[in-house]
Amino acid sequence: DVKVTQSSRYLVKRTGEKVFLECVQDMDHENMFWYRQDPGLGLRLIYFSYDVKMKEKGDIPEGYSVSREKKERFSLILESASTNQTSMYLCASSFRGRGTGELFFGEGSRLTVL
Amino acid sequence: GENVEQHPSTLSVQEGDSAVIKCTYSDSASNYFPWYKQELGKRPQLIIDIRSNVGEKKDQRIAVTLNKTAKHFSLHITETQPEDSAVYFCAASWAYGGATNKLIFGTGTLLAVQP
Repeated sequence: DVKVTQSSRYLVKRTGEKVFLECVQDMDHENMFWYRQDPGLGLRLIYFSYDVKMKEKGDIPEGYSVSREKKERFSLILESASTNQTSMYLCASSFRGRGTGELFFGEGSRLTVL
Repeated sequence: GENVEQHPSTLSVQEGDSAVIKCTYSDSASNYFPWYKQELGKRPQLIIDIRSNVGEKKDQRIAVTLNKTAKHFSLHITETQPEDSAVYFCAASWAYGGATNKLIFGTGTLLAVQP
């Protein structure tokens, strides 16, 4: 079974803190994605990566950065957390150039910024 | 960029009835249209997908139809059961040779199947 693991299920941070959300997949997927899920807004793409050290902006990259130093790991960084970044964050991965294109999601990290 | 609109936002049906969820997309280059189901407290999971060279695809009680001219696609669930209750997301992307470009999701439909 594909496994996408997010390091923290629940986090509570204060405004201005630096936040790291980690995601690891064990299926040798080339693609990795970070989405944000908010009620009524669906899943919005923050950043994605096709390969190690490669990153591309999604639809809402402002206030976020990412790091992909190893193929299996994709980190989302909030340099200075703000209350409007309180949300559920979902990591996903998929094959590139092979397979069905199916996204495999992690269980999510619920972040609250006070 | 791609924009996906999804309707309705909530849908309540009686067990055994059919449910239909509709999505429209903006980018005519999009050629891959998956549907994901997210049960309460769980991760989204792919339930069915369709590519632009196909007009309809069926898998047991679920089916997806695609109208490329009108740029809309729909999910049909027949003989609904309580376990079909979940949030359903449509999505669209441009995919070439099995690779998947970024998936853009709709805003989701909360389906409630009343016993």
